[in-house]
Amino acid sequence: KAGVTQTPRYLIKTRGQQVTLSCSPISGHRSVSWYQQTPGQGLQFLFEYFSETQRNKGNFPGRFSGRQFSNSRSEMNVSTLELGDSALYLCASSLPAGGHNEQFFGPGTRLTVL
Amino acid sequence: GESVGLHLPTLSVQEGDNSIINCAYSNSASDYFIWYKQESGKGPQFIIDIRSNMDKRQGQRVTVLLNKTVKHLSLQIAATQPGDSAVYFCAETGGYSTLTFGKGTMLLVSP
Repeated sequence: KAGVTQTPRYLIKTRGQQVTLSCSPISGHRSVSWYQQTPGQGLQFLFEYFSETQRNKGNFPGRFSGRQFSNSRSEMNVSTLELGDSALYLCASSLPAGGHNEQFFGPGTRLTVL
Repeated sequence: GESVGLHLPTLSVQEGDNSIINCAYSNSASDYFIWYKQESGKGPQFIIDIRSNMDKRQGQRVTVLLNKTVKHLSLQIAATQPGDSAVYFCAETGGYSTLTFGKGTMLLVSP
């Protein structure tokens, strides 16, 4: 069974630009979550999507947005990039249903903002 | 590779030793506590979890202990191997798929 895939793996942008990152969950997984990882702040929850609906959202500005498609694939978008947005963006997928489900992480997209 | 290890506390052990990694959590209402391992260039990988109504759970070479009185979680790795070298994160969740991660500890295992 293929794992969670994220594209692109590396990305370099300049301040003010916008970026779209993609995540393909494990087949059969309908929940997709996004996390930002930086050396200073660690791993922070961005948002979670389930059945094309945002179910939870972390404490990030509105420049960060996402969506999920009917095939469970998800994208996140960051507009008006700032230097502080440089980070590893991780996507995780899990099975449907409520309660605790093991999350499987992708390798991440390394975003560098110059 | 990704510099996830910067600014992290580090535990250095010899191969064959037992390792204990500690974590303090903040939310008394969390239902589950999970340990993840992250190797350089990879996303976090699930190791073991424990429900809030338990105080100990064992896996293969790993044991997680939960002390709700002092909001403390620990991961014990028996007979640590060089392949165990990684950054270890504890995480807590109150449900669904929202994880709150701790800062992480880097484990370095010398042969």
